[in-house]
Amino acid sequence: AQSVTQLGSHVSVSEGALVLLRCNYSSSVPPYLFWYVQYPNQGLQLLLKYTTGATLVKGINGFEAEFKKSETSFHLTKPSAHMSDAAEYFCAVSEGFQKLVFGTGTRLLVSP
Amino acid sequence: DAGVIQSPRHEVTEMGQEVTLRCKPISGHDYLFWYRQTMMRGLELLIYFNNNVPIDDSGMPEDRFSAKMPNASFSTLKIQPSEPRDSAVYFCASSRTSGQGYEQYFGPGTRLTVT
Repeated sequence: AQSVTQLGSHVSVSEGALVLLRCNYSSSVPPYLFWYVQYPNQGLQLLLKYTTGATLVKGINGFEAEFKKSETSFHLTKPSAHMSDAAEYFCAVSEGFQKLVFGTGTRLLVSP
Repeated sequence: DAGVIQSPRHEVTEMGQEVTLRCKPISGHDYLFWYRQTMMRGLELLIYFNNNVPIDDSGMPEDRFSAKMPNASFSTLKIQPSEPRDSAVYFCASSRTSGQGYEQYFGPGTRLTVT
């Protein structure tokens, strides 16, 4: 069965600094991978997804992620953090079916 | 598009009472999911439907929980009787069969408090 591990329940960065949120997955077949963001008191919103093709995926709000099969990773990055990026981020995996398996989430804190 | 609609947004009830949460998926979507989010357990998939038929209910915690989807535009999650440990945020999400990944669209959630 597929699974997702997000390293670090909390990540703190300064405004303008690089954001790096880590995600490793386990899947028996080529996976579909997703990053979602959750702002306080809101539902989850899709940031980006990898299905097939180019392994570097660009999403909304300047975020991107790279699928690395050899490392079974799908880390999320943003070159320069903004205060509005403070939220909880979830990585998810699907083995080609509609059901997604979510990680435990990483809360991003951005300080001025 | 209005997105996934959930009601109520907040529900406070006493232990033992019946609670019904409602969801309207995005028009044209053929999958509907119910999730529960708590600090302790994170985001858990409870059940999902395809074309109004329940496909996987293995995440439903107990017989006190039941879900229905009488038509393509409406689903309910019922808890009877409710218990304090059911306090959580319940999300509904929907998606459409697609050959390019299965993006789920989430509603704003219902925050349930059982006292």
